[in-house]
Amino acid sequence: LAKTTQPISMDSYEGQEVNITCSHNNIATNDYITWYQQFPSQGPRFIIQGYKTKVTNEVASLFIPADRKSSTLSLPRVSLSDTAVYYCLVVPANQAGTALIFGKGTTLSVSS
Amino acid sequence: SQTIHQWPATLVQPVGSPLSLECTVEGTSNPNLYWYRQAAGRGLQLLFYSVGIGQISSEVPQNLSASRPQDRQFILSSKKLLLSDSGFYLCAWDPIHSGNTIYFGEGSWLTVV
Repeated sequence: LAKTTQPISMDSYEGQEVNITCSHNNIATNDYITWYQQFPSQGPRFIIQGYKTKVTNEVASLFIPADRKSSTLSLPRVSLSDTAVYYCLVVPANQAGTALIFGKGTTLSVSS
Repeated sequence: SQTIHQWPATLVQPVGSPLSLECTVEGTSNPNLYWYRQAAGRGLQLLFYSVGIGQISSEVPQNLSASRPQDRQFILSSKKLLLSDSGFYLCAWDPIHSGNTIYFGEGSWLTVV
């Protein structure tokens, strides 16, 4: 399984765009990049997933360069409610029983 | 739609007492099932995962065990709890053979005193 590296913490203010970068130098051809969000006392929640280029949904955008060795989660115009821990995972596609390893994630703190 | 439930939501147990946390998934069949633990202020630690009934893989040696008596039921147990077992326990599932995304339950807070 490809190891991921992301910043431990980030600070932002309401209304700003936040970009969280994740490094995954050993990503394999059939790996997908997946981001989760976790609020205190709740289980992580799926945010977005991508394989290459750019993916956008109602919550975030995910930018993946051609070499796929890194990815950037972009949160537009954050609010206080976006304060959470964000996890980057590299997940092999269609592999039953894959042991998914969550790192420490990035703690995003949004202030007013 | 698929849903996952785990219980109890919170419990306080004395050291040396047994533990049983239950998790069920509805709306799907033959899912992969997972138990994670998160100690206060720390990341998620994978404890067990299962690809089918009776099939359990352990990631971390400890005094905990897991069982999967039915296709959509996953149980985390301990015969004698330790103080270090305190934490937030999360059950999760993903659909077999299409496991790109994992879905978590509400979590169970365990405090061992």
